[in-house]
Amino acid sequence: KQEVTQIPAALSVPEGENLVLNCSFTDSAIYNLQWFRQDPGKGLTSLLLIQSSQREQTSGRLNASLDKSSGRSTLYIAASQPGDSATYLCAVRGGSEKLVFGKGTKLTVNP
Amino acid sequence: GAGVSQSPSNKVTEKGKDVELRCDPISGHTALYWYRQSLGQGLEFLIYFQGNSAPDKSGLPSDRFSAERTGGSVSTLTIQRTQQEDSAVYLCASSSSWGPYGYTFGSGTRLTVV
Repeated sequence: KQEVTQIPAALSVPEGENLVLNCSFTDSAIYNLQWFRQDPGKGLTSLLLIQSSQREQTSGRLNASLDKSSGRSTLYIAASQPGDSATYLCAVRGGSEKLVFGKGTKLTVNP
Repeated sequence: GAGVSQSPSNKVTEKGKDVELRCDPISGHTALYWYRQSLGQGLEFLIYFQGNSAPDKSGLPSDRFSAERTGGSVSTLTIQRTQQEDSAVYLCASSSSWGPYGYTFGSGTRLTVV
């Protein structure tokens, strides 16, 4: 059974700092991995999608890497801003059609 | 449509009443998913549709929960005889079933059972 773990559960940083969020999964037989952002009381916004054959994806200040063999992904946020404050969720899709989510990292960027 | 639309955005209901939650996926997306997010918990898979069929309904918590999809488009999640533990945010997502697809989520329905 696939399990996804995100570390840390919460993170507080000053504005401008670069930071890394970690995601690990137990079954390396995945189809893809997706990072989402969730603001309080809102739905999920897709940030980056990495296919199993890819090593990384970039969008603006965000960079996500995937090491399928070791069951790890990282989300790198450069030059963090208060507007980046949210919960970041990692989800993997394996052989079945459903996504398995981690419990998220709650990020607070302080002005 | 441009995104996944869910209605209502908020629903307060009395214990024991039935509720219907609606999801309108992105046009052309053949796969549709329902997830539940309870306070302080991660996202919990409920059911998956491919077209109008539900190959995986393993996440439905009990027989009080049912879902259907018609015309390969709109889906309705029905909860009968609601209980307080049903209070959660119910999220719907859709995706194309081919190509390098990801999932697009709606904003969710916040259900409160009082």
